[in-house]
Amino acid sequence: QSVLTQPPSVSAAPGQKVTISCSGSSSDIGNNYVSWYQQLPGTAPKLLIYDNNQRPSGIPDRFSGSKSGTSATLDITGLHTGDEADYYCGTWDSSRTISYVFGTGTKVTVL
Amino acid sequence: QVHLQESGPGLVKPSQTLYVTCTVSGGSVSSGEYYWSWIRQSPGKGLEWIGYIHYTGGTYYNPFLKSRISMSMDTSKNQFSLRLTSVTAADTAVYYCARADNWKPTWFDPWGQGTLVTVSS
Repeated sequence: QSVLTQPPSVSAAPGQKVTISCSGSSSDIGNNYVSWYQQLPGTAPKLLIYDNNQRPSGIPDRFSGSKSGTSATLDITGLHTGDEADYYCGTWDSSRTISYVFGTGTKVTVL
Repeated sequence: QVHLQESGPGLVKPSQTLYVTCTVSGGSVSSGEYYWSWIRQSPGKGLEWIGYIHYTGGTYYNPFLKSRISMSMDTSKNQFSLRLTSVTAADTAVYYCARADNWKPTWFDPWGQGTLVTVSS
């Protein structure tokens, strides 16, 4: 059912940067806010980014989000081993499913 | 700080009804600015939004599940609940409750820890 496409996995060494893409369409990302969630192993998802690029209080500025057209991006800089997790984007789909949709998810591995 | 906690049956037989409840603490489900949501995650899979309920009683359900879902709220207990009928093995998942910001959600925060419901005879 997911209409938002993410790479299955990305990896980098500690201290490096990873970029996770989230590709959608004009009916979802193109006309709605994007949020990002981090899911550490065995835990519930946690809000990382909302309204495309806003961080909730307590989220370090190593995490940043952006949106351009029908795609969104999550950047993680200064990678820590504690950042190993699954990351999901999400947004409202205004026409295809007319519901909230999540991305396919990306596993971040710290080498 | 708002905290959400799910509770569920653990095991449900195929064709029966699944019923899970979310208890909210540190905040009120009667707060008009939030929409109380359910999201599920099948084992090893991604996230699927199920729907939400507002304290006014208004609901919005995922069209793919709409025919089998109903949600309710008990403001006296500060709880809201999900009922899913005619379950199959495909409904085996961790069920999360979460708070959403809008009738057309832009974010979910916080989330409960989740409750695993297995559909099996």
